[in-house]
Amino acid sequence: DAGVIQSPRHEVTEMGQEVTLRCKPISGHNSLFWYRQTMMRGLELLIYFNNNVPIDDSGMPEDRFSAKMPNASFSTLKIQPSEPRDSAVYFCASRHGLYGYTFGSGTRLTVV
Amino acid sequence: GQQVMQIPQYQHVQEGEDFTTYCNSSTTLSNIQWYKQRPGGHPVFLIQLVKSGEVKKQKRLTFQFGEAKKNSSLHITATQTTDVGTYFCAGPLIQGAQKLVFGQGTRLTINP
Repeated sequence: DAGVIQSPRHEVTEMGQEVTLRCKPISGHNSLFWYRQTMMRGLELLIYFNNNVPIDDSGMPEDRFSAKMPNASFSTLKIQPSEPRDSAVYFCASRHGLYGYTFGSGTRLTVV
Repeated sequence: GQQVMQIPQYQHVQEGEDFTTYCNSSTTLSNIQWYKQRPGGHPVFLIQLVKSGEVKKQKRLTFQFGEAKKNSSLHITATQTTDVGTYFCAGPLIQGAQKLVFGQGTRLTINP
């Protein structure tokens, strides 16, 4: 199993541009989570899906952030327009039932 | 809301010394999970504790879940340089919930 796959690994973009982060969860995992990690705020849950349905998006910071999961094998997190304060490492994680999360390698986003 | 607090925030030890990190929740947890994140890496699931007073061991790592299920600890015996990283505890916001709240983590550095 290739694990949770995220792309791109690194993204540098200018303020105001649209950014799309991608995630392929582990096959058979029915829950998918998007986290953001910064030094100041640690690991913050942005949104999670259960069986492709968004369950809780209370962690999404603003309307500039949106996430979709069109099928069981793909999810996107979009930021439009991006701002410098969005710079962080964004992790996708998937889970089967109530077992531990499997995290992807993350996308390091820098907005200049 | 529910919080998961970890102490210490940082710990520096000499190789061969023991290390302990503590995790405290403001509410009773149905289970607690521990993760390790190497520098520049992603969190990796270590273990899940479910029962009150449970103790589990993984080689030099010992995990405990408190009797009241509101606190937990991770103890490493005779640290090695491969133990370097940040250790996170995480618990569900509500019993049976998919969503985990992560502690701020304890960053362990080791002098060889």
